[in-house]
Amino acid sequence: NAGVMQNPRHLVRRRGQEARLRCSPMKGHSHVYWYRQLPEEGLKFMVYLQKENIIDESGMPKERFSAEFPKEGPSILRIQQVVRGDSAAYFCASSPRNAGGNQPQHFGDGTRLSIL
Amino acid sequence: DQQVKQNSPSLSVQEGRISILNCDYTNSMFDYFLWYKKYPAEGPTFLISISSIKDKNEDGRFTVFLNKSAKHLSLHIVPSQPGDSAVYFCAASDGGSSNTGKLIFGQGTTLQVKP
Repeated sequence: NAGVMQNPRHLVRRRGQEARLRCSPMKGHSHVYWYRQLPEEGLKFMVYLQKENIIDESGMPKERFSAEFPKEGPSILRIQQVVRGDSAAYFCASSPRNAGGNQPQHFGDGTRLSIL
Repeated sequence: DQQVKQNSPSLSVQEGRISILNCDYTNSMFDYFLWYKKYPAEGPTFLISISSIKDKNEDGRFTVFLNKSAKHLSLHIVPSQPGDSAVYFCAASDGGSSNTGKLIFGQGTTLQVKP
């Protein structure tokens, strides 16, 4: 199965710790999107990356959150000094090119982050 | 500022009947609309999409209708099957000047198809 792979599936952290979420896009896809879903809500866009570049981070909180998509390896969403409000499901999606060209994004199964 | 709205949190239909899920949007710059289906503990699965230059797209049991003047789209599933029971999300692509393709999602509608 060459789908979008996210790990870990579940992550538990205590307040103040760091959380690292990983996403490997589908084979041949070079565009990665991160979304966050709070309980009982829809998915909210966070950041759009291409290899080694952040293209749009308009949905990402200015502090504590960062994302990267290195030349080699998966995309990483990093949350520093986590707080209870960071508890959510974080989904990664990939597309073969800029999805503004009307290509559907394909999603991974998400990482469920719980903050104690 | 909810640019994509699904006003019905839930819908229940009988197996074999038609399911109609609705979605409204406010941003006239949206040029691409998608429907995703989501099971618990899984990621959204792409179902069907429609470009703003069309008013209908059909794929098997799934048809999406777009009414641009009303800024409204709907997903029809016919005949509905118990396996269709899931949360359905409407999404729109940001067709603004950035054209990054980021998706704006509605809140979702939980569909239950009863045998």
